[in-house]
Amino acid sequence: GAVVSQHPSWVICKSGTSVKIECRSLDFQATTMFWYRQFPKQSLMLMATSNEGSKATYEQGVEKDKFLINHASLTLSTLTVTSAHPEDSSFYICSARTSGGSDTQYFGPGTRLTVL
Amino acid sequence: AQSVTQLGSHVSVSEGALVLLRCNYSSSVPPYLFWYVQYPNQGLQLLLKYTSAATLVKGINGFEAEFKKSETSFHLTKPSAHMSDAAEYFCAVRTGGSNYKLTFGKGTLLTVNP
Repeated sequence: GAVVSQHPSWVICKSGTSVKIECRSLDFQATTMFWYRQFPKQSLMLMATSNEGSKATYEQGVEKDKFLINHASLTLSTLTVTSAHPEDSSFYICSARTSGGSDTQYFGPGTRLTVL
Repeated sequence: AQSVTQLGSHVSVSEGALVLLRCNYSSSVPPYLFWYVQYPNQGLQLLLKYTSAATLVKGINGFEAEFKKSETSFHLTKPSAHMSDAAEYFCAVRTGGSNYKLTFGKGTLLTVNP
């Protein structure tokens, strides 16, 4: 089946620094990628939807200047957490949808971000 | 707006017992419904999906779910629980048109006791 990878799988950074998380679709082209945030023991909250070659669409309440999303190619999307603070510590999961209009979203393994 | 509600944040069963995880949906149009499983510190894996075809949907790992319009439900079942089934399970509904997205329930943690 379709595989989505994320890198890094975990990252620890100091407050005020920026962190970039990569999401790749390994064996398919993804015109649409999604970024989710998950707090401990809670559900996934959609942060933004990104389409290849265009600006991301952010959900209400998500700061677009803080969470920069770039979907530069059909197989790569990046999420950059700028000027990270401890409250940004979370599990970030990306998801990709195939370009054929499939109903299926494939999820990455997630990235655990800890901001000290 | 379309949404799903998962009843019970935690379900505990004995190994070999029936697994029943509940999900009710709210939708003004025929919904597309999904069940995902998440193991600790991992992403989500699709178990099964309902896309308005057969109402009884069979998924991976012996799971199945039945779409019941009259009850607005899409409960997940497995006849005999295995220790490896212990995980978090999420019900989701597809919302939006051509630019659709998934809206998830709050999740149900399944524990399997030996």
